[in-house]
Order: sequence, then structure tokens, then C-alpha cells
Amino acid sequence: SQQGEEDPQALSIQEGENATMNCSYKTSINNLQWYRQNSGRGLVHLILIRSNEREKHSGRLRVTLDTSKKSSSLLITASRAADTASYFCATPNRDAGGTSYGKLTFGQGTILTVHP
Amino acid sequence: SQTIHQWPATLVQPVGSPLSLECTVEGTSNPNLYWYRQAAGRGLQLLFYSVGIGQISSEVPQNLSASRPQDRQFILSSKKLLLSDSGFYLCAWFRGIAEAFFGQGTRLTVV
Repeated sequence: SQQGEEDPQALSIQEGENATMNCSYKTSINNLQWYRQNSGRGLVHLILIRSNEREKHSGRLRVTLDTSKKSSSLLITASRAADTASYFCATPNRDAGGTSYGKLTFGQGTILTVHP
Repeated sequence: SQTIHQWPATLVQPVGSPLSLECTVEGTSNPNLYWYRQAAGRGLQLLFYSVGIGQISSEVPQNLSASRPQDRQFILSSKKLLLSDSGFYLCAWFRGIAEAFFGQGTRLTVV
């Protein structure tokens, strides 16, 4: 099954505005992670929120998790042109035996463009 | 500190030619290693993962194979590339139950 579906697919804002991206997933999770990818580069881990947490902050990032709705949101406040990138949510994927081995299933991502 | 190296950064190969992409990790031992493929800058698809030397699990049937000859080395291979193998390939290692660390990726174009 597909985990971690983000919306919107693309978001275009002006510098200084806030950017909100959403992610939905289908199965139970232990944690949910957000990653950032600059064009043509590898992914960089931004923040991890555990299933028993509802909100987490890191600098200008705020992540929420609603396990009842199986959804998460990433808020970037006071955005900057340098925040332009693709953002992905990811959830641990378990095999038939229930072991994760650290496998992550990624959503399709949100492409964020911040105009100066 | 731990680092992950992946090369080459870009590769253009003809259809039917072999492929070998290498990924190495420094600063850690017995890491879980992963190969992902990303099409058109969108979502990542897990191709292979390895929890130890010689241990490879394949997530999707495909024209590719993986090997782990050493603890911190993970190789993605193909005997004969197809056009559909084009994409952005990312190697990653996983730390505990927390985040994954990614290499800078290899852009493969099969022509």
C-alpha cells in the first residue's frame, strides 16, 4: 500500500510567508519523518515525530501528527528563498514478519518554491 | 562523524551495457544500507536493502541486482541496462530507529 501521500504536489509562495505541507498515511506507524531534497541532490533529514507525540518544533519547522486521522503536517514559518526544495514525508515500512529494518516508504513529495 | 559516499554523480550508458554503482559508508559499523530509485524528482522507491555482508533483500522485481561485499560497501549492478532503468539512484544508511542518511545520488541516463 502507498504510505505518505503529500499535498499539495506543488506550492509557490513569497518570501516571508508560511508554507504548510500535508502528509497522509495508511497503516499504523512508530514514527513519521520529514526530509528535504534540493534539486538533483540527496535527501536530508529534517525532523522525526514519534507516534506518541502530537507536535514538534525545530527552528522554523513545526510538525504535527494526528494518528487518529493518519496525517501529519509540516509548517515552515517565515520562508526564505533558500527553502526552495522538495519535501517528503516518510514512514517506517515493515516486512511480513513485522520488522522494519529501517526501511522507509516515501510519499511523492511537495515541491516548494519560495520567490524572493 | 558518519559520512556516505556515492559515485559517480552522473552516468550515461547505452542500452545493453552493464552498470555498477558504488556506495560506501564511513564512521559506522554494521549499518543497514539501502538503494532507492527516484523517477522525475518525485517519490522514492526502495529497491534493495541489506542488514549485513552478503545479505540482500529485494523489494521489487527488476533488471537490477545488489551486493554487499564488505560491511560498509553496497553495490548496485545490472548486466544489461534497459531504457527504463534511467533515473536518480540514491544510497542510504539507517541509524538505529531514527533517521536515514542519504548519499548525493547518481543520475543515470540510459540511451
